[in-house]
Amino acid sequence: AQSVTQLDSQVPVFEEAPVELRCNYSSSVSVYLFWYVQYPNQGLQLLLKYLSGSTLVKGINGFEAEFNKSQTSFHLRKPSVHISDTAEYFCAVGGSNYKLTFGKGTLLTVNP
Amino acid sequence: DAGVIQSPRHEVTEMGQEVTLRCKPISGHNSLFWYRQTMMRGLELLIYFNNNVPIDDSGMPEDRFSAKMPNASFSTLKIQPSEPRDSAVYFCASSFRVDEQYFGPGTRLTVT
Repeated sequence: AQSVTQLDSQVPVFEEAPVELRCNYSSSVSVYLFWYVQYPNQGLQLLLKYLSGSTLVKGINGFEAEFNKSQTSFHLRKPSVHISDTAEYFCAVGGSNYKLTFGKGTLLTVNP
Repeated sequence: DAGVIQSPRHEVTEMGQEVTLRCKPISGHNSLFWYRQTMMRGLELLIYFNNNVPIDDSGMPEDRFSAKMPNASFSTLKIQPSEPRDSAVYFCASSFRVDEQYFGPGTRLTVT
């Protein structure tokens, strides 16, 4: 079985500050890891994914994440956030069978 | 491509009524997923289809829920009879590879 824990339900930050959204997972097999973003009243959009290879993954909108197998983590980072980054962010774990297990989400609020 | 299309975007119905949600996946995608999102339980996978065949329906809450995929371009999720606890946002997603799912905008269902 797979599970995902997003350690912070809400993260408020000021514009242009750095941000890290934390994600830990558990799985008994090799995994694929994802971060999705959901803007208000919209569906989820893929930010980035880790399948294999380099543990540092770069995605859209200046976000990146680092896969740490020993700590079973996949934290999302951005060095300088914008007001437009305000959204809910979901970490997910998947395997070879198409199924994704999502975390509960982290609401990132960027304040001016 | 228009992306995943869901209809209706909003549905308000009375308890006991039948509700049908519709989804048109992205052309060429061979997997389709139905998710439910609530504040309490987060994002849950209800069922997924591969090549129009239901592969895993273990997330379907109970017999009141049913899903069909009569062809590669259309799927329905039906709730009969509906109950207030079914109020949620229902997402459809489609995929052609294991490492990426494309989400529709969702249907916000309110059962009074």
